[in-house]
Amino acid sequence: KAGVTQTPRYLIKTRGQQVTLSCSPISGHRSVSWYQQTPGQGLQFLFEYFSETQRNKGNFPGRFSGRQFSNSRSEMNVSTLELGDSALYLCASSENGERGETQYFGPGTRLLVL
Amino acid sequence: EDKVVQSPLSLVVHEGDTVTLNCSYEVTNFRSLLWYKQEKKAPTFLFMLTSSGIEKKSGRLSSILDKKELFSILNITATQTGDSAIYLCARAGGTSYGKLTFGQGTILTVHP
Repeated sequence: KAGVTQTPRYLIKTRGQQVTLSCSPISGHRSVSWYQQTPGQGLQFLFEYFSETQRNKGNFPGRFSGRQFSNSRSEMNVSTLELGDSALYLCASSENGERGETQYFGPGTRLLVL
Repeated sequence: EDKVVQSPLSLVVHEGDTVTLNCSYEVTNFRSLLWYKQEKKAPTFLFMLTSSGIEKKSGRLSSILDKKELFSILNITATQTGDSAIYLCARAGGTSYGKLTFGQGTILTVHP
């Protein structure tokens, strides 16, 4: 099976702009989780989608949003970018997002905000 | 808030050494503990542990969970330069779907 894919791999934006990142899960996986990774904070949970519904959300401002499509592909959007949003954004998929299921990660999107 | 603490934060060894990485966690609604290896970008899955005292092994890597003392260890024997990476442990549990709580990671550097 193909792994989790993310596009684009790299992005450079300026403050105030918005950005959309895409994630395609492993075939058959219906849960997609998003994480932000920074040197200072490590890997932090953003949100999780299952069957086109957001079931769980981390402690991030409303500028961070997402959605999931009927084929389980997911997008996340960050509006009004700030310098502190520079990070590696990782998505991970699992079969159902159940507690204890293994999550498999994509290669990430490296976002740089200038 | 769930918390996962890893130690040491960084470790430098020479090829052939054996290393032990530690991970402690809080117990609330614990379900499983996972270990990942992160080299350049994507964390790659190593082990998932749910039961106390049962060792999981894959080649030179092994891991075990102690649910009474709330910790896990990851052992790497006969280290190689290719083992250089960040090792992350993560806890699944609580009432949250799709959420892993990660530790800060241990940066392992293996010199030839």
